Amino acid sequence: GNSVTQMEGPVTLSEEAFLTINCTYTATGYPSLFWYVQYPGEGLQLLLKATKADDKGSNKGFEATYRKETTSFHLEKGSVQVSDSAVYFCALSGARYGGSQGNLIFGKGTKLSVKP
Amino acid sequence: SAVISQKPSRDICQRGTSLTIQCQVDSQVTMMFWYRQQPGQSLTLIATANQGSEATYESGFVIDKFPISRPNLTFSTLTVSNMSPEDSSIYLCSVELGAEAFFGQGTRLTVV
Repeated sequence: GNSVTQMEGPVTLSEEAFLTINCTYTATGYPSLFWYVQYPGEGLQLLLKATKADDKGSNKGFEATYRKETTSFHLEKGSVQVSDSAVYFCALSGARYGGSQGNLIFGKGTKLSVKP
Repeated sequence: SAVISQKPSRDICQRGTSLTIQCQVDSQVTMMFWYRQQPGQSLTLIATANQGSEATYESGFVIDKFPISRPNLTFSTLTVSNMSPEDSSIYLCSVELGAEAFFGQGTRLTVV
């Protein structure tokens, strides 16, 4: 079945450092891929998404490219800030509802802490 | 966008009791989803609730343990029945609106 494998944390970086959080997936068909973020004390929020191969999702300086050949969707940011400290989840759309976003398969989450 | 209010935000319950979690959405939605996040684990879909029909449960989850109500297009409840310490988790409600999923803040349940 479909699954997501995400780099385990926690990850601790200094401000302005480069961030990569690895995510690989196993899926039949052509799922959509997502990164969600959960800031302390808040609910999950969509950070970015890509719906087909070679698409690049981007938001708030974060980027991720849908690589079908490597079944990956790694999250990157060139210069992290303290305010980026959060838990990041990689996810793919489930197959049951034709890729409905509501039926998502999540990775375990990666906690990022950025120090000043 | 959608704003989801989930109650309670946390609770500590005795084993053998039941807890009902409420999820209120500020928009009418067809499908609502309930997830569980066990400590150190990823989010796992429990069931999908459509208004006017019985919920559809994922493998490993059954209606007797997690009964769900969906009385209208903006509200749903999930009950965790006959709780044991293994049910200690965060439970999240989610909806899809405009091709995007939105989540409540979750209910942190501790069973003692």
